[in-house]
Amino acid sequence: DVKVTQSSRYLVKRTGEKVFLECVQDMDHENMFWYRQDPGLGLRLIYFSYDVKMKEKGDIPEGYSVSREKKERFSLILESASTNQTSMYLCASTPGGGPSGNTIYFGEGSWLTVV
Amino acid sequence: AQSVTQLGSHVSVSEGALVLLRCNYSSSVPPYLFWYVQYPNQGLQLLLKYTTGATLVKGINGFEAEFKKSETSFHLTKPSAHMSDAAEYFCAVSDPGNTPLVFGKGTRLSVIA
Repeated sequence: DVKVTQSSRYLVKRTGEKVFLECVQDMDHENMFWYRQDPGLGLRLIYFSYDVKMKEKGDIPEGYSVSREKKERFSLILESASTNQTSMYLCASTPGGGPSGNTIYFGEGSWLTVV
Repeated sequence: AQSVTQLGSHVSVSEGALVLLRCNYSSSVPPYLFWYVQYPNQGLQLLLKYTTGATLVKGINGFEAEFKKSETSFHLTKPSAHMSDAAEYFCAVSDPGNTPLVFGKGTRLSVIA
């Protein structure tokens, strides 16, 4: 089975802190994604990557950056955390050169609270 | 740009009743369509997907969905609801190209005993 692992399930950070959310997948997938999930808003795409050292902005990239130095790892970075970034963050991966028709596999999610 | 509309943020059914969760999409080309389920405090799990071929798609846990191009719909159904079906359900769409999935806002399904 495909496994997407998010290293931290629950985090509490202070405003202004730099926050790293780590995601690792074990199926040699080319494509990786970070989504944010908020009640009533569904999942919104923050950033995605189709290859090592490649990144593309999603719908809501402001306040975030990403890093993909190795194929299996995709990190989300909050340079200076703010309270409006309190949310559930979901990492996902999928094989192939594009997501079309391919199942996207999700991690369990990281609940981030910024105080 | 693609978009997905899920009608009803919350649907409540009795145990044993029909489950119908509605999803409409907008896309300029025939899309790929997905339904995902999320149980409390978990990530999303694929229920079923439509890519090509038969428009009636069967998924896990007794769910199925039908792609209706003329109605731009991909509604999710299950003949008889079970308590374990209580969860949040997301419809998603992608174009046949190198584009990420676009998700609807989700529908929370409650099952009443």
